Order: sequence, then C-alpha cells, then structure tokens
Amino acid sequence: EAQVTQNPRYLITVTGKKLTVTCSQNMNHEYMSWYRQDPGLGLRQIYYSMNVEVTDKGDVPEGYKVSRKEKRNFPLILESPSPNQTSLYFCASSQGQGAYGYTFGSGTRLTVV
Amino acid sequence: QKEVEQNSGPLSVPEGAIASLNCTYSDRGSQSFFWYRQYSGKSPELIMFIYSNGDKEDGRFTAQLNKASQYVSLLIRDSQPSDSATYLCAVYEYGNKLVFGAGTILRVKS
Repeated sequence: EAQVTQNPRYLITVTGKKLTVTCSQNMNHEYMSWYRQDPGLGLRQIYYSMNVEVTDKGDVPEGYKVSRKEKRNFPLILESPSPNQTSLYFCASSQGQGAYGYTFGSGTRLTVV
Repeated sequence: QKEVEQNSGPLSVPEGAIASLNCTYSDRGSQSFFWYRQYSGKSPELIMFIYSNGDKEDGRFTAQLNKASQYVSLLIRDSQPSDSATYLCAVYEYGNKLVFGAGTILRVKS
C-alpha cells in the first residue's frame, strides 16, 4: 500500500529534551515536506526537500532541523523543544512539482510541557 | 509571502443541497490550485486539482478557477452528511511549496 508513515503518533515530552519524528514514504517520491497545524492558523510549512541532500526552509523553520540522506526518509528534529512547538505535525510527499498534490502521513500530535 | 484566504465557517447546508466553498489568493503568478478534505483528527486528503481557468468536474465535486479575480471555488453537489469536514484550499509555489488556507468547516445536516 502506497503511504507516508510517521512515528510516533503521539508524543509528550519536556522542554529542552531533543526528539526526532520519523517519516518514511514507499512511493519513490522526490519531494517531501513537513507541516504543522494549529487551530485558526491552518497548515504551515516547516521545511521541504526536493531531493536527497536538498532541503529548504518553509514558513516556520525556527527551532526545527531536517535531513534527507535517503530518498524515502525525511526526519524532523527538535533539538530543544519548547511549549510553543506543541502542535499537530504532518509529513507529506509528492512525485513532482505543480500538478501533483502532496500525500500526507497520519500525523504526530506533540505536546511539550 | 503568498496568502490564501478562506472563510472559516462553519458552512451549514441541508443534505442534498449544493455546498459552495470559496478561496482567494494574493499572488497573480500562482499556477496550481488544490482542494483538500480533512476529517476531524485525520490527515488532509487531496480531492481536486485545477490549473486552468474554468470548471473541472470529478463526480459530485466541481472546482472553479478565475485567475483574473484570483479566486478558486469548490462546489459539492448532492451534499451528504459524510461530506462534513474541513476543506482546505492550497496554492502551489515554486519548489513544490504548497501554501494552505486555514480551511472552511462544512456541516451537512440530514
């Protein structure tokens, strides 16, 4: 089954404790992206990647890191999480530009206390 | 920074009616437009894509694009309670960067 897999689905952590949210896709897509979703603000892009070793900042990159060492994986790293990073996070992938929409993972609900 | 605006709703329609969802965008250079549906607690699901002026139909869904007026709309015919969800408009930017509106909540009452 073609899918984008994120883990974990739920995570509660403490301020300052480094964490990684994993994302993997099995569709051989070149494009991958991370979004966060907050009430009233909609989906905002954090980082995106157009290919292996090619990443760029989205609209809200502060406090996040990403890497794209393999085509299928695109982990999101929070080096020192803060409460304002409490949110619902989605990983997504796409096979190309423009005409192709993103396929989203199931989401990770992160709470930072 | 491109902006995508949607009325947050909720938009309430009776079962069987036509639901009309609207979206405006700020950048005249935008080329590709998407509609996603998101059920509560679930991830967004792509339902329509349009890039040419005019209408595009897919089953009960019709997307309409007017680049001169910078708006894109989604019509849902014969609305069903299962259509109750949040509908997200998204605009493509260079680098496959999709900018989303905040979404419109649709409620279909049986």
